[in-house]
Amino acid sequence: DGGITQSPKYLFRKEGQNVTLSCEQNLNHDAMYWYRQDPGQGLRLIYYSQIVNDFQKGDIAEGYSVSREKKESFPLTVTSAQKNPTAFYLCASSIEAGFSYEQYFGPGTRLTVT
Amino acid sequence: SQQGEEDPQALSIQEGENATMNCSYKTSINNLQWYRQNSGRGLVHLILIRSNEREKHSGRLRVTLDTSKKSSSLLITASRAADTASYFCATDEGAGNMLTFGGGTRLMVKP
Repeated sequence: DGGITQSPKYLFRKEGQNVTLSCEQNLNHDAMYWYRQDPGQGLRLIYYSQIVNDFQKGDIAEGYSVSREKKESFPLTVTSAQKNPTAFYLCASSIEAGFSYEQYFGPGTRLTVT
Repeated sequence: SQQGEEDPQALSIQEGENATMNCSYKTSINNLQWYRQNSGRGLVHLILIRSNEREKHSGRLRVTLDTSKKSSSLLITASRAADTASYFCATDEGAGNMLTFGGGTRLMVKP
């Protein structure tokens, strides 16, 4: 099966701990994205990567970090500096970066920090 | 910042009726995309309409774009209970020309 996988589906952490969310794709896409979604809201872009070893900040990058060491993988770390980390996190990919391409989304990870 | 804004925020209809959702945006765009999200799941791409197109169809979906009014509409004809989901428009006004998503319309289709 081709697609994007995110793990785990649910994640619980204590305040002050860093946590890493996994995102893997086997679509051979160059671009990958991380979004945050709060209840009843739209998606906000955290980080995106146009190619391996490159990534750019989105609209709400503060308190998050990413890496892109392999084309297939784009993990997101939610650091203790993120003031309100509880949210639904969605990873996506597209053939290339930018507005002309449809994005394929993973099933999401729901992070709860207490 | 949210570029596209959907209207209404929530819509409840009976199966078989048509559902119309609207999206407004603030600045000029190159294209506009519509996505669907079932509760607690990832988004699924529905349709992309370019700025030089006025209307596009895909199955029971019809999308229109009016660049003079900076608005788009998504029409779902003969709705089914399985169409119950949130629908988002996305425009290319994000950082680095990335997509920016609106707040979505929550559609409920009652059987």
